[in-house]
Amino acid sequence: NAGVMQNPRHLVRRRGQEARLRCSPMKGHSHVYWYRQLPEEGLKFMVYLQKENIIDESGMPKERFSAEFPKEGPSILRIQQVVRGDSAAYFCASSPRTGHTDTQYFGPGTRLTVL
Amino acid sequence: AQTVTQSQPEMSVQEAETVTLSCTYDTSENNYYLFWYKQPPSRQMILVIRQEAYKQQNATENRFSVNFQKAAKSFSLKISDSQLGDTAMYFCAFMKQGNNDMRFGAGTRLTVKP
Repeated sequence: NAGVMQNPRHLVRRRGQEARLRCSPMKGHSHVYWYRQLPEEGLKFMVYLQKENIIDESGMPKERFSAEFPKEGPSILRIQQVVRGDSAAYFCASSPRTGHTDTQYFGPGTRLTVL
Repeated sequence: AQTVTQSQPEMSVQEAETVTLSCTYDTSENNYYLFWYKQPPSRQMILVIRQEAYKQQNATENRFSVNFQKAAKSFSLKISDSQLGDTAMYFCAFMKQGNNDMRFGAGTRLTVKP
């Protein structure tokens, strides 16, 4: 059973460009979470999605950031018009069950560098 | 709001010895979960151990065990027989039951010395 997959592992963008980060949850998992980790800090929750639905986006900046988890394909975290402050590691996690708090399994992360 | 505090930014231990990493949290909830995650230099987040707040028995996973003190809101991680591969950042995390997001501490950087 493959773990949570994220790609790319490293992404370099210039200010003003768009960044697209992809996450494929573990097989059988229908819940996806995105976290951001700034250097030397812990992870900060951004958004929680189920298939075709955003359940909780309370941690996501109101502008430039969006997330989706379509019926088919990976979850996408999209950052428009990136700025240097967006440079961070972005982690995706998945969990299997509905209506329960369950363990989240993390992907290897995508390290975004904004030049 | 729930907060998680890890008061030890860095720690070191000799190989084969035992080390304890501390974590305290602040919550008014009664039902919640606590986790320790390990982040080695590869930056992968790896689940080490998990504790349900309603369980009085401390969780154990091989060389890893916790000391969960609910009244004191303390959740320390003990690593026995430390190995070089245990060198990593360790993050304590809290999640309220029925909630979606985990709250992480700032982490403790553990170095195991040969």
